[in-house]
Amino acid sequence: QQPVQSPQAVILREGEDAVINCSSSKALYSVHWYRQKHGEAPVFLMILLKGGEQKGHDKISASFNEKKQQSSLYLTASQLSYSGTYFCGTDPGTYKYIFGTGTRLKVLA
Amino acid sequence: DSGVTQTPKHLITATGQRVTLRCSPRSGDLSVYWYQQSLDQGLQFLIQYYNGEERAKGNILERFSAQQFPDLHSELNLSSLELGDSALYFCASSAPPGNTGELFFGEGSRLTVL
Repeated sequence: QQPVQSPQAVILREGEDAVINCSSSKALYSVHWYRQKHGEAPVFLMILLKGGEQKGHDKISASFNEKKQQSSLYLTASQLSYSGTYFCGTDPGTYKYIFGTGTRLKVLA
Repeated sequence: DSGVTQTPKHLITATGQRVTLRCSPRSGDLSVYWYQQSLDQGLQFLIQYYNGEERAKGNILERFSAQQFPDLHSELNLSSLELGDSALYFCASSAPPGNTGELFFGEGSRLTVL
């Protein structure tokens, strides 16, 4: 029931782009994205409320396809500060706010 | 600073012991969530409280219990501790309905069971 994220891990060079996918077996009403640095608390990045709507945060944007029950996070021209683990999060209407399996992103200089 | 306060930050104890983790949500937030994150693992939902009432339960062990008090702070009690309970325990709060629903996390309580 936990949303599945892909890839599990990715290594990039500064300036490269990456896409992280989040796929759920249950209906998604909204999707949140968080980034967690090692040993720190997750930090909210953005929320996707409407199917197909893209939100942006600096050079990070995301899309949400309700029909496919999927969301994707796009990181453009990655910076060293983008390194961390990315989680999608959702409440499938049960008040159980659950997170995806996580994607580890490492950006190298 | 998310506004969510968790204590203690670090805790080392022995197997079989009992510990209590405390969480104070952001001012005005009624919901409190507890998560367990084992080493380099994902965030596992344990339990949610809303305005003092238990609202949802995840894969929380019977040895674990929680409650939310009238002043909205919450405590997570872990008893008969086992080595496998070593983890980072996060508390998060969210704004009342009508907001975006994002979670604000505390810095976590790192529990080490020896």
